[in-house]
Amino acid sequence: DVKVTQSSRYLVKRTGEKVFLECVQDMDHENMFWYRQDPGLGLRLIYFSYDVKMKEKGDIPEGYSVSREKKERFSLILESASTNQTSMYLCASRKRALGETQYFGPGTRLLVL
Amino acid sequence: GESVGLHLPTLSVQEGDNSIINCAYSNSASDYFIWYKQESGKGPQFIIDIRSNMDKRQGQRVTVLLNKTVKHLSLQIAATQPGDSAVYFCAATNTGNQFYFGTGTSLTVIP
Repeated sequence: DVKVTQSSRYLVKRTGEKVFLECVQDMDHENMFWYRQDPGLGLRLIYFSYDVKMKEKGDIPEGYSVSREKKERFSLILESASTNQTSMYLCASRKRALGETQYFGPGTRLLVL
Repeated sequence: GESVGLHLPTLSVQEGDNSIINCAYSNSASDYFIWYKQESGKGPQFIIDIRSNMDKRQGQRVTVLLNKTVKHLSLQIAATQPGDSAVYFCAATNTGNQFYFGTGTSLTVIP
């Protein structure tokens, strides 16, 4: 079974704090993704990575950065958290081949006060 | 780009009935589609997928239908059970890098 894990299920941070969200997958997948999920908006892609040290901006990268130093780990960084970054953050991974689906982690619910 | 939408935000069905959840997409170049199930407090879980060279695919109690002419896909759940209560959403892609997701239909199964 594919396993995607995220470092925290719930986080509470203060405005201006630096926040690290970590994601690890154990299936040697090349592609990894970070999404945020908000009511009525669905999943929106923040960043994705198709290989180690490679990253691409998604639809809403502003206020976020990412790091992929190892194939199995993809980190999302909020440099200076703001209240509008309160959301559910979902990590996903997939094998880089046609017709391969994404597998999601359990999500991190972040509250920024 | 692509936009993906679901037709109904909520759906209630009686236990044992069949459920049909619909999804529309906009980009005719999209060639791979996935249905996910998301239970409360959990991440999305893969249910079934279909490629654009097919118009129907069946799994265990689930069937996905793809109509490329009108850019529509549906998820059918047979003999719906209480454990099927969740949010269901579809995703579409044509590159495999960028997936576009619908906002979800919340399915409630009435015992």
